[in-house]
Amino acid sequence: DAGVIQSPRHEVTEMGQEVTLRCKPISGHNSLFWYRQTMMRGLELLIYFNNNVPIDDSGMPEDRFSAKMPNASFSTLKIQPSEPRDSAVYFCASTQRDFYNEQFFGPGTRLTVL
Amino acid sequence: EDQVTQSPEALRLQEGESSSLNCSYTVSGLRGLFWYRQDPGKGPEFLFTLYSAGEEKEKERLKATLTKKESFLHITAPKPEDSATYLCAVRSNDYKLSFGAGTTVTVRA
Repeated sequence: DAGVIQSPRHEVTEMGQEVTLRCKPISGHNSLFWYRQTMMRGLELLIYFNNNVPIDDSGMPEDRFSAKMPNASFSTLKIQPSEPRDSAVYFCASTQRDFYNEQFFGPGTRLTVL
Repeated sequence: EDQVTQSPEALRLQEGESSSLNCSYTVSGLRGLFWYRQDPGKGPEFLFTLYSAGEEKEKERLKATLTKKESFLHITAPKPEDSATYLCAVRSNDYKLSFGAGTTVTVRA
């Protein structure tokens, strides 16, 4: 199994530009999570999808952030317009929804907004 | 709101020097306490899940234990390859993990 796949691995952009991060969950998993990790705030849940439907987006910092999951094998996290304070590592994780199952994380996308 | 506090922030060990990491938590109904390992530049890697006080899990040189208020990750006779950041997380509903800030362990040969 290839695990959770994220692209790009690194993204450097200028303030005001649109940024799109991509995630392919593990095949057969029906739950997908987007996290953000910073030194100041640690690992925070941004949004949770179950069966391609957003269930909890309370962690999305503001309207500049949006996420979609058009099918079971693909999700995007978009930031428009980007700001320097969005600089962080963004992780995607997936799991088979079950009370007992752990989440499997991707390698992350390191975003730098200049 | 769920709270997770990990201590110490950093731990430097000599190879073979056993030690323990602490994870204190406050949660309204624990539905699992998770330990993850994170290497630099990588995503967290799952280690253990504990569900009830008194439960213990082991994997190689790592042993996780759980009480009603905290969890410990014991590292026995660590090796340099055990160097990583260890993250603790709690789950109080069926999906949301609340993570601690982590303990960065460095094991010197």
